[in-house]
Amino acid sequence: EAGVAQSPRYKIIEKRQSVAFWCNPISGHATLYWYQQILGQGPKLLIQFQNNGVVDDSQLPKDRFSAERLKGVDSTLKIQPAKLEDSAVYLCASSPGAGQREAFFGQGTRLTVV
Amino acid sequence: AQSVTQPDIHITVSEGASLELRCNYSYGATPYLFWYVQSPGQGLQLLLKYFSGDTLVQGIKGFEAEFKRSQSSFNLRKPSVHWSDAAEYFCAVGPPNTGGFKTIFGAGTRLFVKA
Repeated sequence: EAGVAQSPRYKIIEKRQSVAFWCNPISGHATLYWYQQILGQGPKLLIQFQNNGVVDDSQLPKDRFSAERLKGVDSTLKIQPAKLEDSAVYLCASSPGAGQREAFFGQGTRLTVV
Repeated sequence: AQSVTQPDIHITVSEGASLELRCNYSYGATPYLFWYVQSPGQGLQLLLKYFSGDTLVQGIKGFEAEFKRSQSSFNLRKPSVHWSDAAEYFCAVGPPNTGGFKTIFGAGTRLFVKA
């Protein structure tokens, strides 16, 4: 089966610009996650969707970050305006459902803010 | 507060030698436990997981991990390391209750393999 697809793979923007990332989870997976992985650190959960509803966005900086999952399939994560400290790899992951503990990760989008 | 500690930032082992990567956690109850591997430029791949039962779990690529409740540890082992095992390894814990999946990751241990 196809894995989690993310695009773009790399993005370089200037601070205060906006950027958007796209994720297509594994077909049939109800749960979708966005993680932020800063260099030298483990992934940190930004937001979790169950179908098209938000389950947890407690660690999402809502003043500049937003995410949506229309129709419960694809998802986009947006940053506006970007700051230097947003430079990181943004990982999307999916799992079959709330009772499934294993997450399947995409390759990530490496964002550099200059 | 829940936390995951991987004490070793990086480890270097010779090809063919044994490997042990350490992971300690702080949690109110026995959590679900995971080890993931991340190769350069790639996403995370699950190596193995522990939910309950036998405390010694087998994973892919010849890896195994042992859950020790008394030590709050879940160390990853491999008897003979291959050069292709060079990567970053993450230990993670998740809540044992159903209906949620909020996993906390450790900072990772980078494995270098020398010939």
